[in-house]
Amino acid sequence: QKEVEQDPGPLSVPEGAIVSLNCTYSNSAFQYFMWYRQYSRKGPELLMYTYSSGNKEDGRFTAQVDKSSKYISLFIRDSQPSDSATYLCAMSAVSGGGADGLTFGKGTHLIIQP
Amino acid sequence: SAVISQKPSRDICQRGTSLTIQCQVDSQVTMMFWYRQQPGQSLTLIATANQGSEATYESGFVIDKFPISRPNLTFSTLTVSNMSPEDSSIYLCSVERGRGNTIYFGEGSWLTVV
Repeated sequence: QKEVEQDPGPLSVPEGAIVSLNCTYSNSAFQYFMWYRQYSRKGPELLMYTYSSGNKEDGRFTAQVDKSSKYISLFIRDSQPSDSATYLCAMSAVSGGGADGLTFGKGTHLIIQP
Repeated sequence: SAVISQKPSRDICQRGTSLTIQCQVDSQVTMMFWYRQQPGQSLTLIATANQGSEATYESGFVIDKFPISRPNLTFSTLTVSNMSPEDSSIYLCSVERGRGNTIYFGEGSWLTVV
């Protein structure tokens, strides 16, 4: 079983829809959770950073962490064609990943149809 | 955030040759990380590079294949040695910065080995 599972998609939704992206993980030591957005031929860009369980909102983006279920989500409201990208979840047991770095999902390819 | 510049941004390399990737950060950082992103795969940590000490390699990665230098607090290089087509990948430099020791990535170096 992989440490982090993420559906690779592609996930195609119409413009304006609410998008839900998810990851599950197996390591109960993970406490720090991140979502990155990666456009084609670009490096990953940090979108959201959360610690432990709970919700965090930033503009159209909401990150949720449920440590009891080992499940994290990213919601995008009022989705735009410019949101079309690959979304990577990442997590770690220590702040910043420490010497072990971050553990990533494979990424979900999201397509927002105009 | 952090401004991280990588060179080259992309290259096509001949089998058996070596290529050095440079990573320059806009301010001093303690920890720099090198990741690999193979097609359709998660980002995988290659090694952690701290200034003044030998790089720490993850399981499956060795110094002879991926020598790393960290001459100062703003610069690092990763060399991919004796390349084969299996080394075709995106190589990403990242740093730990700011509140929560958040990880930021460069734009990546896209290598194709023929």
